[in-house]
Amino acid sequence: GAGVSQSPSNKVTEKGKDVELRCDPISGHTALYWYRQSLGQGLEFLIYFQGNSAPDKSGLPSDRFSAERTGGSVSTLTIQRTQQEDSAVYLCASSLYGTPSEGYTFGSGTRLTVV
Amino acid sequence: DQQVKQNSPSLSVQEGRISILNCDYTNSMFDYFLWYKKYPAEGPTFLISISSIKDKNEDGRFTVFLNKSAKHLSLHIVPSQPGDSAVYFCAASAMSGNEKLTFGTGTRLTIIP
Repeated sequence: GAGVSQSPSNKVTEKGKDVELRCDPISGHTALYWYRQSLGQGLEFLIYFQGNSAPDKSGLPSDRFSAERTGGSVSTLTIQRTQQEDSAVYLCASSLYGTPSEGYTFGSGTRLTVV
Repeated sequence: DQQVKQNSPSLSVQEGRISILNCDYTNSMFDYFLWYKKYPAEGPTFLISISSIKDKNEDGRFTVFLNKSAKHLSLHIVPSQPGDSAVYFCAASAMSGNEKLTFGTGTRLTIIP
């Protein structure tokens, strides 16, 4: 596709349930990032994939969060045993080489609401 | 620890006038800075960037100024247009290696017709 695609666009889940968020990056982009934006906050880094290198997981807030990127393309962010503080917009971005000067291309995000 | 700070959550500017959005950073390792613009229900879009070897970069109506000694950068939009109403995020990175971007909390700009 022409841009970064995220699904679902909205997700409401009950506290304690697991959720999976999907990101389809721009074809050929080697770098993929997950960020989240909580209400009134900036974009918080979660995890970064670059090619075949081990991902940078330094932003994941707890061990309930995990992500994988299959075949260097599609990525799934999984949140287990969701809590109300997990409610946020989860944004995925990709870039061709992973260099800051490129800028990232963001998807429209998944708005997660935990009730 | 907020390494990139945007201290003004909102700003209102008359159409046609200059909009100035400010950003401060604390990490001296940052050497590349970007501005993103975000409309509701959309992802942020890249606007303009500047390397630390420069103190100014201009692209049409948008100019970014960098003051390294003060660890401060600003985005100037002139003249401001109604379509500029959006949330603007400042971001920073260290270009040494594939470093992630660190974002500020954003400034909501409203252009008054």
